[in-house]
Amino acid sequence: NAGVTQTPKFRVLKTGQSMTLLCAQDMNHEYMYWYRQDPGMGLRLIHYSVGEGTTAKGEVPDGYNVSRLKKQNFLLGLESAAPSQTSVYFCASSYSIGRDTEAFFGQGTRLTVV
Amino acid sequence: QKEVEQDPGPLSVPEGAIVSLNCTYSNSAFQYFMWYRQYSRKGPELLMYTYSSGNKEDGRFTAQVDKSSKYISLFIRDSQPSDSATYLCAMSAPGNNRKLIWGLGTSLAVNP
Repeated sequence: NAGVTQTPKFRVLKTGQSMTLLCAQDMNHEYMYWYRQDPGMGLRLIHYSVGEGTTAKGEVPDGYNVSRLKKQNFLLGLESAAPSQTSVYFCASSYSIGRDTEAFFGQGTRLTVV
Repeated sequence: QKEVEQDPGPLSVPEGAIVSLNCTYSNSAFQYFMWYRQYSRKGPELLMYTYSSGNKEDGRFTAQVDKSSKYISLFIRDSQPSDSATYLCAMSAPGNNRKLIWGLGTSLAVNP
């Protein structure tokens, strides 16, 4: 009964390095989301996906790319990390339109860019 | 002006107190209203969900929506130390891929 699993849980990157955050859900949800959470800024949507093979930009997409090659996985990539991308990243998933809008969240990835 | 406003607190109350948490919003199209609870270093989890106006009760928790005032509330009765967390309101409108618009969250501490 895993729900939404994020990998890794912690990471320290040097400026300019790249990395990929993996999100996996086992609830057969259509919708998946990547958020970042910063003090005083709340949860901000980076990118989201309404189904396998689709992605769309959220509120703060710059500097990030995503892919949804399989329905259960949603990857968030940082091509060239910057200190401004130091944050806690949350993945979430939810049912498709017409169903409850409850979003289930992962435990978060704490990323520090030095 | 943000679409959703929420006082970040912090709010500190004694155990057993009634807690009132609030959010205001500006978009009259919002129909779905949610309260999420987030413990320290954890992801948010859904606490209460309300569609349109009215009240909803679940144990010690009551959610209220006043669409005429664009104001939602979460009441916690007989608050417990285990209720210490950040409470985030979220809302969405029909269509728009059901994207949630979030408040900043209110930090609550319930003291034994």
